[in-house]
Amino acid sequence: DVKVTQSSRYLVKRTGEKVFLECVQDMDHENMFWYRQDPGLGLRLIYFSYDVKMKEKGDIPEGYSVSREKKERFSLILESASTNQTSMYLCASSGGTGGKGTFGSGTRLTVV
Amino acid sequence: AQTVTQSQPEMSVQEAETVTLSCTYDTSENNYYLFWYKQPPSRQMILVIRQEAYKQQNATENRFSVNFQKAAKSFSLKISDSQLGDTAMYFCAFMKLTGNQFYFGTGTSLTVIP
Repeated sequence: DVKVTQSSRYLVKRTGEKVFLECVQDMDHENMFWYRQDPGLGLRLIYFSYDVKMKEKGDIPEGYSVSREKKERFSLILESASTNQTSMYLCASSGGTGGKGTFGSGTRLTVV
Repeated sequence: AQTVTQSQPEMSVQEAETVTLSCTYDTSENNYYLFWYKQPPSRQMILVIRQEAYKQQNATENRFSVNFQKAAKSFSLKISDSQLGDTAMYFCAFMKLTGNQFYFGTGTSLTVIP
C-alpha cells in the first residue's frame, strides 16, 4: 500500500524552538506539498517542491522553510515557533501533472 | 489566481438518503482538474472522485457522483444511499492542467444521522 508518512502525529513545542516536521513518500512522486489546516480556513499551501532541491512558496510561507535533499523526503521547518503556528500540518505528494494527491495522516502541532 | 468556494460549512443527512455538497471555483484556465477529498475523523485525506474539465461526462465512483457545470464553474458532489462511514469533512479542490498545485475550498462537514 502506497504511503505518505509523517513522523509525528502530535507534537508540543515551546515558543522560539526550531521545529522539524518530516514527511516521507514511497511512490517516487516528483511533487511534494506542505499544507496547514485550520478550522474555517481549509487547507492552505505553505510550500511545495516539484523536484529534489527545488522549492516554491505557497500562499503562507512566512515563518516556514523547507528542505528536499532526497526525492522521497520533504521537511518543513519552523525557524522559531510561535503560538500562531499551532495548527494541523498535512504533507502530500503527487506524480506528474494532474495526479491525485496522496496525503499523510497529519501532525497536530501545539506551540506553548 | 484560482479560488475554490464551499458555501456550506456543515450539513447533515439521514442514513440511506441522498445529499449534495456544493462547490464553485473561479479560474481563467480552460483545462484543469477538479477533485473531491474526504477527511474522516482519522484525519487521513482520501480521494473521493476526480474530474477532468475537458471531459463533458460527469465522473462517478459507486455511490459518489458529480455534477460538473463548466460554464457555471460549479462542481457539486452527490452522495447516494448515505452511510455512517460517510461522516467526514469534504474538501473540493482545483488543479491547473499544466500545474501540480492543489487549491482547496474551506470544507463541508457532513454528518450522517442513523
